[in-house]
Amino acid sequence: AQSVTQPDIHITVSEGASLELRCNYSYGATPYLFWYVQSPGQGLQLLLKYFSGDTLVQGIKGFEAEFKRSQSSFNLRKPSVHWSDAAEYFCAVGATSGTYKYIFGTGTRLKVLA
Amino acid sequence: IAGITQAPTSQILAAGRRMTLRCTQDMRHNAMYWYRQDLGLGLRLIHYSNTAGTTGKGEVPDGYSVSRANTDDFPLTLASAVPSQTSVYFCASSDTGNSPLHFGNGTRLTVT
Repeated sequence: AQSVTQPDIHITVSEGASLELRCNYSYGATPYLFWYVQSPGQGLQLLLKYFSGDTLVQGIKGFEAEFKRSQSSFNLRKPSVHWSDAAEYFCAVGATSGTYKYIFGTGTRLKVLA
Repeated sequence: IAGITQAPTSQILAAGRRMTLRCTQDMRHNAMYWYRQDLGLGLRLIHYSNTAGTTGKGEVPDGYSVSRANTDDFPLTLASAVPSQTSVYFCASSDTGNSPLHFGNGTRLTVT
């Protein structure tokens, strides 16, 4: 069965430090992959997506993610974290054709220290 | 600004009462979804609709119903609310079944 795992429930980094949020997936074919960010009291906002082609994808707010098929991973990175990046981050796999059932990880909550 | 509007923003509801959560989109997306978000469980799909006039069950459909009379509206109804339905509910839409989801700001529902 398809699944998405975000192994880190909470991550704390200092402002200006680099960031990597982990995401592993289980999927039978080439997946459509997404990262979303959720600020308190808000809905989820798309950061970036991978459909095909270049395995390093750039997103909004200075984020990037790398698709590694051999590791079934799609980790999110940012070279220098800003205090405003404190939020919850969700990795998701796009729906199997025709099912419309996206699969979300349980999220990683990021805290940024001043 | 184009997007998804959800109403109400929050609601406290007595158990056994009926409640409809409203969702409207203005992006002319084909597909719409209802998720519930609970601490530690992430987002779970309740129901979805891939086009006006059709609906489908998600991961946790029991106790909920939906309708899709037109492209823009996708209301979620709790026929007889129970405390386990206390959650934050998000409506979302997408152009196709694999394109990015667009989310509303959610409805926080408390069933007492």
